Amino acid sequence: DAMVIQNPRYQVTQFGKPVTLSCSQTLNHNVMYWYQQKSSQAPKLLFHYYDKDFNNEADTPDNFQSRRPNTSFCFLDIRSPGLGDAAMYLCATSRGRLAGGLREQFFGPGTRLTVL
Amino acid sequence: DAKTTQPTSMDCAEGRAANLPCNHSTISGNEYVYWYRQIHSQGPQYIIHGLKNNETNEMASLIITEDRKSSTLILPHATLRDTAVYYCIVRVATNFGNEKLTFGTGTRLTIIP
Repeated sequence: DAMVIQNPRYQVTQFGKPVTLSCSQTLNHNVMYWYQQKSSQAPKLLFHYYDKDFNNEADTPDNFQSRRPNTSFCFLDIRSPGLGDAAMYLCATSRGRLAGGLREQFFGPGTRLTVL
Repeated sequence: DAKTTQPTSMDCAEGRAANLPCNHSTISGNEYVYWYRQIHSQGPQYIIHGLKNNETNEMASLIITEDRKSSTLILPHATLRDTAVYYCIVRVATNFGNEKLTFGTGTRLTIIP
């Protein structure tokens, strides 16, 4: 089945130690998104890629970076994780520009990041 | 994008219809109403969306009032697997397809056996 895959499902890192989360998709979608969801809160968009074009949300901290080497993969890099960055990180995809209609977003299962 | 207001939580008996309301009184003419749900420890899942007309798919029905200031998501025969947080989201459709979802607090729906 076509899907959005996130690895690992659980990630533990130390305060200040860089960490990378990965997302892959078999849907061949143009757009890939990264959301952050802290405990008991709603998901919040960090940034997204439309093909190779990177779109950052205005309030996303510089500590968060992203890479998309090809259509299938997208990475979230946290350069110096703080305790406040502990959260579920959700990757999503959508089809992008299409004549007419709207495109829903397909979410992966998320990676739960713990910062010690 | 217009803001939405949803009840914090609701209960529904298994097998009954679950009706989840959403207020979006500041919605603009070009904004759509989307519903997603998030089952515990999973990513959000698209349910349904609409602009003016009522919509139905295999998962749910969406009823939008004539003035478009509110809507109701209906799960016709709720099961225990429908226990989740349900998000009502209102947003403009872009020409580029990179739609941003702004999640509100959502409604925590609990299906009671």
